[in-house]
Amino acid sequence: GAGVSQSPSNKVTEKGKDVELRCDPISGHTALYWYRQRLGQGLEFLIYFQGNSAPDKSGLPSDRFSAERTGESVSTLTIQRTQQEDSAVYLCASRQQGGVAGGEQFFGPGTRLTVL
Amino acid sequence: GIQVEQSPPDLILQEGANSTLRCNFSDSVNNLQWFHQNPWGQLINLFYIPSGTKQNGRLSATTVATERYSLLYISSSQTTDSGVYFCAVELDSYQLIWGAGTKLIIKP
Repeated sequence: GAGVSQSPSNKVTEKGKDVELRCDPISGHTALYWYRQRLGQGLEFLIYFQGNSAPDKSGLPSDRFSAERTGESVSTLTIQRTQQEDSAVYLCASRQQGGVAGGEQFFGPGTRLTVL
Repeated sequence: GIQVEQSPPDLILQEGANSTLRCNFSDSVNNLQWFHQNPWGQLINLFYIPSGTKQNGRLSATTVATERYSLLYISSSQTTDSGVYFCAVELDSYQLIWGAGTKLIIKP
C-alpha cells in the first residue's frame, strides 16, 4: 500500500484480557518497528524486525508482550493479561532496510489501546 | 545512554510568525529525523537530516553533527502547523531515541 496501516484504530478492553494489534508496513520495506506512546510523552521503542526475525526485543516491557512478523510483511503485537498501565497509543513504523543506512522510518496512524 | 533534549517545551505564536525549534543530543549520531505529530496523533515525516541543511516550503532544518544539535525553522506560521514537533536520533542500534517534543500552538 501507499503507507503504513494499522488496525484496529481504537481498542477498548477489560483488564486481564489479551489483545492483538496489527501492522501492515509499506510494501517492500524489510525493517519494521513497534513503539509505544503514552499520553503527552515521546515514543518508547518496543521491538525491531529485520525480515521475519527480531534481533532487538530489548524494549518489550514484560513477558506479557510478544510480537511476530510473517512473510516479511504484516506484524502483530500481542499483549496478554492486559493491565491499565498498558493503555497507550501503539505505533508501527517501517523502512526500506535495517541498519543505519536504511533511510527514514515511516509511521502508521497508531492503535489507541484503553484498558479499563 | 544518549540524551535528546528539545527546546522550548511549549511555544505559542500568532499566525504569520517565524519560529526556531532546537534539538540537542549528547552523543554522535548516525541519523536524525524531525517529525510533526498533528492533533489527531499522526506522525508526519518532516526531515531526514543527519547533517547539513534541507528546505521544504516554509520549513527548513539544519543539523550540525560535530556540535550535536539540530534546528527546525518554521516561517510564516499557519494554524495547521500546530501540534507537537519531535526530534529523534539513531545511533548504531537502529532504534530511534526520541526527545520529549515541542508543543506548538499557532493562534489565528
